[in-house]
Amino acid sequence: GENVEQHPSTLSVQEGDSAVIKCTYSDSASNYFPWYKQELGKRPQLIIDIRSNVGEKKDQRIAVTLNKTAKHFSLHITETQPEDSAVYFCAAGGVRGGADGLTFGKGTHLIIQP
Amino acid sequence: NAGVTQTPKFRILKIGQSMTLQCTQDMNHNYMYWYRQDPGMGLKLIYYSVGAGITDKGEVPNGYNVSRSTTEDFPLRLELAAPSQTSVYFCASSQLAGGPQFFGPGTRLTVL
Repeated sequence: GENVEQHPSTLSVQEGDSAVIKCTYSDSASNYFPWYKQELGKRPQLIIDIRSNVGEKKDQRIAVTLNKTAKHFSLHITETQPEDSAVYFCAAGGVRGGADGLTFGKGTHLIIQP
Repeated sequence: NAGVTQTPKFRILKIGQSMTLQCTQDMNHNYMYWYRQDPGMGLKLIYYSVGAGITDKGEVPNGYNVSRSTTEDFPLRLELAAPSQTSVYFCASSQLAGGPQFFGPGTRLTVL
């Protein structure tokens, strides 16, 4: 089955700097790659997603890039703010039509230092 | 729309007890999922359903059962609770196969 590796496990950046989180996946048939943000004690919230027919997608300060050949994708957050502090999860899905759920990475704890 | 709702929010079980975790969505989504999240880990798929009457196993189905009699409801059953089932359980739903999944608030379960 699919395996998703996520790095780093913890990332500390100064407020205003950029943060980058990287994920790799193993199943070349995966074609859907969402990113979720989870605050302590809360549910995962979808923040951005990308499909395999697209190389990059942006939404204000957040962007995701995908390299299908290398089987890796990354989350970029620019001009970080204190409210960006959370755990971020990448995931991969879409194999066999995508009905059978997502495979998640283990998460990155992003800490924004004031 | 309430989205995806789950009950209860918290539960403590004794080893060997059984319980049902409830999940309901009001978005008319065909696809529904149960995940568990252990401390410091990502989410792992327990069971999923592509529509009423159709369910299938995910990555970690042992010790659990599901049913899907309606589009809205997707309960998860634990028959003989074990300490290894201590976790946070999230239900999710999706309009599209391989599309965005929206999560409920979770149920925090402790088995002692």
